[in-house]
Amino acid sequence: DGGITQSPKYLFRKEGQNVTLSCEQNLNHDAMYWYRQDPGQGLRLIYYSQIVNDFQKGDIAEGYSVSREKKESFPLTVTSAQKNPTAFYLCASNSGTGDNQPQHFGDGTRLSIL
Amino acid sequence: GNSVTQMEGPVTLSEEAFLTINCTYTATGYPSLFWYVQYPGEGLQLLLKATKADDKGSNKGFEATYRKETTSFHLEKGSVQVSDSAVYFCALSRNNDMRFGAGTRLTVKP
Repeated sequence: DGGITQSPKYLFRKEGQNVTLSCEQNLNHDAMYWYRQDPGQGLRLIYYSQIVNDFQKGDIAEGYSVSREKKESFPLTVTSAQKNPTAFYLCASNSGTGDNQPQHFGDGTRLSIL
Repeated sequence: GNSVTQMEGPVTLSEEAFLTINCTYTATGYPSLFWYVQYPGEGLQLLLKATKADDKGSNKGFEATYRKETTSFHLEKGSVQVSDSAVYFCALSRNNDMRFGAGTRLTVKP
């Protein structure tokens, strides 16, 4: 079955440490997205990529970085510059061919601070 | 900019009750509209969608109609079950920019 795999499911970060969240898809989608979800809030866009080797900042990109070296993979690094990283992180993808294409989501990574 | 506003929760209903979750949107032109559902500890799953005015999306007993005149996309179900307990998100996509509402938590009691 095609889908999106996020790992790990739970992650803990120490002070001053960078951590990387993995996102892999086998849906042959061109576009991939990273969202942050905080309790009682909707999803906020961190970064997105419409094609390999290209990505753009979303609404809350500060303290995060991404890469898109392969179509299937879109890892997110939470850097030490992100002072409030505790949240649920969701990766999504779609074909990117139009507004009528829904996004498909992974099961998320919950990041906490030690 | 584009935005979605949905009714605040939480919503608590008894099994077999009628459900309505209100959603209104602000967007230029004609966005596509979606409802997603999120179960605890999981990502979002597409529930239904509508891509043009007066379209009705439906799935698993849930329905929503794209109302351009009232810029609304309210979610309805005639008879909810305990298994429908989840968080529901309304969303729009316009020019490949997807925006989500804050989510409405639904709890259905036996």
